[in-house]
Amino acid sequence: GQNIDQPTEMTATEGAIVQINCTYQTSGFNGLFWYQQHAGEAPTFLSYNVLDGLEEKGRFSSFLSRSKGYSYLLLKELQMKDSASYLCAGNQGGKLIFGQGTELSVKP
Amino acid sequence: DAGITQSPRHKVTETGTPVTLRCHQTENHRYMYWYRQDPGHGLRLIHYSYGVKDTDKGEVSDGYSVSRSKTEDFLLTLESATSSQTSVYFCATQEGNTIYFGEGSWLTVV
Repeated sequence: GQNIDQPTEMTATEGAIVQINCTYQTSGFNGLFWYQQHAGEAPTFLSYNVLDGLEEKGRFSSFLSRSKGYSYLLLKELQMKDSASYLCAGNQGGKLIFGQGTELSVKP
Repeated sequence: DAGITQSPRHKVTETGTPVTLRCHQTENHRYMYWYRQDPGHGLRLIHYSYGVKDTDKGEVSDGYSVSRSKTEDFLLTLESATSSQTSVYFCATQEGNTIYFGEGSWLTVV
């Protein structure tokens, strides 16, 4: 199967920058998604990387290296509302295979 | 917003009873999915559909069946609910390279 690994928890300070890493087996995925999920709510789409490199979208950026099976989500100028779970998911022929998610706590 | 509505949003049922969760979408998306989310496991795919009457199994399909008789509706049925099926169930639809999730259905099997 396709294993996707993310750190379980991370803590960061308001206003800082945090990088959430995601690693996966290099075969079988067409691209890599990142979703944000607040407690008790549905996951919401953040980004989708198909090609290698960095995609920037406001305070959030996502990076992909297909040869290394590695992706990261970079959050800048952290705000308290960024406290949430961040889910990495591989696109396997239209089906999303998720990691367990990273619980990010932003502290004042 | 992909216009996804799940029902019921919350349900408590007894072991051995049948349960059907409904997913309704208004955007005419071809692909629809059912996921369950549990602590320590993340989101796992149960079943998916790539069109009316076209469905396939995901990674945790045992104990579940689905039906898609209309583009807008994707039903998930637990034929005989068990306590291990206590979970949050998310429906999702796909548009291009983006998958959108419904608000979730909280199911408790007692």
